[in-house]
Parts: sequence; C-alpha cells; structure tokens
Amino acid sequence: DTGVSQDPRHKITKRGQNVTFRCDPISEHNRLYWYRQTLGQGPEFLTYFQNEAQLEKSRLLSDRFSAERPKGSFSTLEIQRTEQGDSAMYLCVSSLARDSRTEAFFGQGTRLTVV
Amino acid sequence: DAKTTQPPSMDCAEGRAANLPCNHSTISGNEYVYWYRQIHSQGPQYIIHGLKNNETNEMASLIITEDRKSSTLILPHATLRDTAVYYCIVRVGDTGRRALTFGSGTRLQVQP
Repeated sequence: DTGVSQDPRHKITKRGQNVTFRCDPISEHNRLYWYRQTLGQGPEFLTYFQNEAQLEKSRLLSDRFSAERPKGSFSTLEIQRTEQGDSAMYLCVSSLARDSRTEAFFGQGTRLTVV
Repeated sequence: DAKTTQPPSMDCAEGRAANLPCNHSTISGNEYVYWYRQIHSQGPQYIIHGLKNNETNEMASLIITEDRKSSTLILPHATLRDTAVYYCIVRVGDTGRRALTFGSGTRLQVQP
C-alpha cells in the first residue's frame, strides 16, 4: 500500500455513460498526476496538478475528459460519453515537490471497462 | 526527457541475480535514471534512482556506466514475487511537474 487511494477499483459502464473516478493522494503531497494504461503498454500521462492548479494536460485528454483537484487535496477524473476506447486502467500518482530524490507513488488504479 | 531502450523480456532463476539493462544514450547531464516496476494488476512501484554514482537500497542496486549512456538494475536474489514489468525512465530530477514517461519496459519472469 503506497498510501494513494483510488475509488472505485473496477468500473463497468455502458458506452455513452459518464463515469467519475476519485483519487486521495498522500496527505502532504502537493503534486498529483493522472495516467492511463492499456493492456501491454506502459502508463501514459494525462494531466498534472500542483496543489489545486491544473498545470499540464496531455493531448490524450480529449474534451470528454475533465479533472479537478478542489482545495488541493483529493482529485476526480470524469469521462463523459464513454467510448470503448476509453477502456483502460486509470492511475493516480502523488508526489511531494522537494528535491532530486522525489519519488512518485502510484495508486492501485481504477480499471474501466466500457461495454 | 531522454528515450530509453530495454529488452522486452527476460527470464531469471529464483535465487539468482537478475540483471536488467537499459540504454539511454541521449541522456543529458542533469537527467536522473529511475527504475519502477509493475506487478500484474497493480500500480507501478518506485525501486531506485541515481544520477552518476551507483546506488543501492533494500530492493535493488543500480549500476550506471561512467559515460551514463546505459545502466543496469540488479535484483541480487530474485524471488517469484519479483516477476513484473520493469521500467527504466530518465528525467530531470525535481522538475516534478514533468511527468514520468514510460516505455514498454522489460517483462521479468522469475522461474522456480
């Protein structure tokens, strides 16, 4: 257990439905990232928050995707009008801006299946 | 961030050392080498990282060549639980806002 919690762990949804995932990072960590991972591939960066500010978004993050981190604590990732291509593991990552020995801690992920 | 090259898969006998290579020939002077691993159905786990000196912790050792163009992650006594995908990543140290860029990694299979 890395201390990064993600909920739910698994989600099955019908195409066209909206889904929302939650991530609770390690409490003192000010940096939070969302990644997506499809079968057989390494994780791909989606978006990055420093405190409550969303500072970077990947081109992978289409307009159907939105992420928030109110108050710089937990974060949510919403996917609207889901498509089968959205089926993947969504990983949340937490880290503390400190020095060169900054580690990134991954949550266990939310596995989304769109049917 | 510099690109890395890793073999897609490797086997290792249980109890023996697992040596996982990584090439990063375009690494810059201020880029660190990080290793993560991902056990099936779990999120990636940090293992170790280094700049130019060899590093060792409770999980592994990291050997970086003098020219820094390649490195080797060493698991001294591999167990079945070390079966995982191992990712080598190079990036500037604390620019935390720059996300980790993962390749396809090396799938290590530890054989009993």
